[in-house]
Amino acid sequence: EVQLVESGGGLVQPGGSLRLSCAASGFTFSSHWMSWVRQAPGKGLEWVANIKEHGTEKYYVDSVKGRFSISRDNAKNSLHLQMNSLRAEDTAVYYCARRYCSGGTCYPHLDYWGQGTLVTVSS
Amino acid sequence: SYELTQSPSVSVSPGQTASVTCSGDELGDNYVCWYQQKPGQSPVLLIYQDTKRPAGIPERFSGSNSGNTATLTISGTQVMDEADYYCQAWDGNTVVFGGGTRLTVL
Repeated sequence: EVQLVESGGGLVQPGGSLRLSCAASGFTFSSHWMSWVRQAPGKGLEWVANIKEHGTEKYYVDSVKGRFSISRDNAKNSLHLQMNSLRAEDTAVYYCARRYCSGGTCYPHLDYWGQGTLVTVSS
Repeated sequence: SYELTQSPSVSVSPGQTASVTCSGDELGDNYVCWYQQKPGQSPVLLIYQDTKRPAGIPERFSGSNSGNTATLTISGTQVMDEADYYCQAWDGNTVVFGGGTRLTVL
């Protein structure tokens, strides 16, 4: 059974840092792109970052470029999001999600999502 | 950057057909997927590659995509289908979500 379990959320002051983690199990982690998606309170889904299977390429939404860094450890089946210089507008539930890939081809949907971890940026 | 537009809300009576639309420039040239999200829960993949349903998704959910509009259709809508629905596509190597549509069943 595919499982994605996020951790690391919490309350942080503006300008502070936080590192989110996502523990993956039930599938070959190194074969799939992974994504972080966030949802501010009462708002819609917003894509944050992608990382390719072996971490060689990373992509970010403009609003987090230079502040957030996505990484992965395929040996430990884990995904991370280092968040620096946090702002109030970064307050959200952060989800990790798997991009479905098969036979070397990756398809344009996120087929499994974690339960999310809440990040609150406030003084 | 690429944008996907959804109506904020749709209402439907139980048993009737609900249509949720998603529009974007030449959207039909891209694969679209749909997610359902109920309050306090994570999004669930409903439709992928425009028309396909993952295992376990009821047949009453279907999708289409042509021109500038993708449509999620719920036939015989049930009260349990009340939720937020999001369309999603890719723009190069980045993910784009629509703003979401709240479906009310009453």
